[in-house]
Amino acid sequence: KAGVTQTPRYLIKTRGQQVTLSCSPISGHRSVSWYQQTPGQGLQFLFEYFSETQRNKGNFPGRFSGRQFSNSRSEMNVSTLELGDSALYLCASSSGTSGGNEQFFGPGTRLTVL
Amino acid sequence: GIQVEQSPPDLILQEGANSTLRCNFSDSVNNLQWFHQNPWGQLINLFYIPSGTKQNGRLSATTVATERYSLLYISSSQTTDSGVYFCAVLGGYGQNFVFGPGTRLSVLP
Repeated sequence: KAGVTQTPRYLIKTRGQQVTLSCSPISGHRSVSWYQQTPGQGLQFLFEYFSETQRNKGNFPGRFSGRQFSNSRSEMNVSTLELGDSALYLCASSSGTSGGNEQFFGPGTRLTVL
Repeated sequence: GIQVEQSPPDLILQEGANSTLRCNFSDSVNNLQWFHQNPWGQLINLFYIPSGTKQNGRLSATTVATERYSLLYISSSQTTDSGVYFCAVLGGYGQNFVFGPGTRLSVLP
């Protein structure tokens, strides 16, 4: 079974631009979650999608948004980029059908905002 | 929400030594996982262990759910074990995964 894939792996943007990141979960998994990792704040939850619906959301501004498609692939978008958005963005997939499903992470997208 | 603490924050070992990493959490959990983050940032699944004991080669883990802690044991450490180890927990259904701050392990040759 193929693992979780994320594209692109690296991205450089300038302040004010917007960016879209993509995540393809493990086949059969219906839940995709997104996390931001920075040296100062650690790993923080952004949001979770299950069957095309946002099921949970972390404490991030509205500039961060996401969606999930019928094939479970998910995208997250960050608009009006700020320097502080520079981070490693990780997505995780799970079956999502119960509260304790094991999470599997992709390799991440490293975003640099100049 | 659930709070997760990990100790120690940093650990330096000589190759061949054993170590114990600890994860404390503040409430009951449905899921607890240990991860190793490699130098490229990928989180590698080590254990899915909301309760009980598991072993995988030189690594083993124990979660005592009633006392709200989990331990990760690394025996005969190797330089490739270096990196950051994270504990993450999930509370009730619909809650989000909460990560601890990590333990940075350095294994010296």
